[in-house]
Amino acid sequence: AQSVTQLDSHVSVSEGTPVLLRCNYSSSYSPSLFWYVQHPNKGLQLLLKYTSAATLVKGINGFEAEFKKSETSFHLTKPSAHMSDAAEYFCVALSNDMRFGAGTRLTVKP
Amino acid sequence: GAVVSQHPSRVICKSGTSVKIECRSLDFQATTMFWYRQFPKQSLMLMATSNEGSKATYEQGVEKDKFLINHASLTLSTLTVTSAHPEDSSFYICSASGLAGGTNTGELFFGEGSRLTVL
Repeated sequence: AQSVTQLDSHVSVSEGTPVLLRCNYSSSYSPSLFWYVQHPNKGLQLLLKYTSAATLVKGINGFEAEFKKSETSFHLTKPSAHMSDAAEYFCVALSNDMRFGAGTRLTVKP
Repeated sequence: GAVVSQHPSRVICKSGTSVKIECRSLDFQATTMFWYRQFPKQSLMLMATSNEGSKATYEQGVEKDKFLINHASLTLSTLTVTSAHPEDSSFYICSASGLAGGTNTGELFFGEGSRLTVL
């Protein structure tokens, strides 16, 4: 069985400052890992994915994530937050089954 | 690219009626479909997993007779909420994984979600 832990339920940053959303996973197998963003009352949009190629993955809207096997982490980062980044973010692991993290709500202050 | 089309996006129904939500995969074969329910300000709760042509596997605590899932083809899966009650009001989302051009995409594609309100 696998699990996904998003370490922060809520992250608040100021516009223009870096964003760090943390995700740790546990899995018996090497999973594919994803970050999705959800805006209010909307479906999920894929930001980026890791599928055993390059460990540093670049996604849309300036986001990137680094797969660190030794730390079983897949943290999402962005150098400079924008107001439009305010949303809910989900880390997802997919191997034999699929597990969602609990989500992290990102608030961006002007 | 691969897309999952989900509709209706919003539906309001009376208590006791049934509501059907459809998810269609475009440009790929959805061999596996996942159905989720999301409560306000919470993560997605996996309700069931279905493989094309097979009966759905429901997560613990999800009533299979209430939430009927059909995945009869590689491009269509439906979730029917039977005899809906106000407590069934929620945001329902589907996601699919499968084959695009004969290759396993190794990725999930999500529908836009359906907001169900039961009066």
